[in-house]
Amino acid sequence: GEDVEQSLFLSVREGDSSVINCTYTDSSSTYLYWYKQEPGAGLQLLTYIFSNMDMKQDQRLTVLLNKKDKHLSLRIADTQTGDSAIYFCVEGYTGFQKLVFGTGTRLLVSP
Amino acid sequence: EPEVTQTPSHQVTQMGQEVILRCVPISNHLYFYWYRQILGQKVEFLVSFYNNEISEKSEIFDDQFSVERPDGSNFTLKIRSTKLEDSAMYFCASSDSWGTRGYEQYFGPGTRLTVT
Repeated sequence: GEDVEQSLFLSVREGDSSVINCTYTDSSSTYLYWYKQEPGAGLQLLTYIFSNMDMKQDQRLTVLLNKKDKHLSLRIADTQTGDSAIYFCVEGYTGFQKLVFGTGTRLLVSP
Repeated sequence: EPEVTQTPSHQVTQMGQEVILRCVPISNHLYFYWYRQILGQKVEFLVSFYNNEISEKSEIFDDQFSVERPDGSNFTLKIRSTKLEDSAMYFCASSDSWGTRGYEQYFGPGTRLTVT
């Protein structure tokens, strides 16, 4: 079945790098996404990676995918206080429209 | 930038009552979705809708739930007889057939439904 797990909480200091980790069980996913949720706002897509890729870089964001271990990570370089939010690891599948969400990791960035 | 909007932001209703949650998807999008998040739990898929019919639904989406696109702009979720366990944040999302950033679903800010 589909299950996506994340650690619940991460606290970093401004300027440091943040690494948010995710493990998933279903290897048939085609896309893996990172969504961000700020208080009172909707879920915003940050970045995504195809399941046949190992790494993707997008400005301050680096996504690493280890398919063998079913492990996905999101690294945010030079983390800012505005990056404080909940980050969701999400699986998507070709031919199916639903997204499968992880538990979410609350990132707190302190000055 | 176009966005998905949802009304109301918060709805309080009594058990057994019908509620309709409303969404205005992004205007050129073709696929529409509802998700929910019970407090402290994961965001869960409920249903997807395309070409005026349901294309996929989860086990949660039972006979008490229905969706409709009553006109060219709105997309609604109806719960016929609400239960306490329907209390959750309900998110609407929409997507076009294939975005430049993968199969991106754009989410609204959510409607918090409280059933008393």
